Amino acid sequence: DAEITQSPRHKITETGRQVTLACHQTWNHNNMFWYRQDLGHGLRLIHYSYGVQDTNKGEVSDGYSVSRSNTEDLPLTLESAASSQTSVYFCASSGGTYYEQYFGPGTRLTVT
Amino acid sequence: QQQVKQSPQSLIVQKGGISIINCAYENTAFDYFPWYQQFPGKGPALLIAIRPDVSEKKEGRFTISFNKSAKQFSLHIMDSQPGDSATYFCAASIRRSDKIIFGKGTRLHILP
Repeated sequence: DAEITQSPRHKITETGRQVTLACHQTWNHNNMFWYRQDLGHGLRLIHYSYGVQDTNKGEVSDGYSVSRSNTEDLPLTLESAASSQTSVYFCASSGGTYYEQYFGPGTRLTVT
Repeated sequence: QQQVKQSPQSLIVQKGGISIINCAYENTAFDYFPWYQQFPGKGPALLIAIRPDVSEKKEGRFTISFNKSAKQFSLHIMDSQPGDSATYFCAASIRRSDKIIFGKGTRLHILP
């Protein structure tokens, strides 16, 4: 069955370190998205991609970057982790039905 | 203008009762309105969606009511069950962008 996976599921890191969160989907979807979820803020879009070599900034992109070298993967990098980036991060993908996104299980990141 | 406003932030309903979550939007370019359901420790998943030219859509115990003139829509969960306890997000999407704008979410708890 097609799926979307994220790794690691839990991560604790120190302020200032570079961190990369992995996202892998097997639906062959062109669109991929990264969100962060915080209490009181819902789901906020960090970065998104419409295909290989395409990346775009979302509403909360400062301090984050992505790259898309193939259809299946969209890794999210925190250049220099800050305590404000402690959050749960979700990756999602979408294909033919533009209003339906398939979400991964999430990565809980703690920056100490 | 890109916001989707959702209320209440949290909701407690007795088993068998009706749960009602309300949302409002401003951008008339939105062309589809999905609702997502998220269980603890999981990613959100599409529950039900409606086009703005339809006033009501029903799937089992879940109904979306849509008021285009008021730019408001709501989710009704009839005969609410403890298994419905989850966070619900209303959302809006624009076909040409393939992006989804999420409300801040409603944490629903159904009392057994």
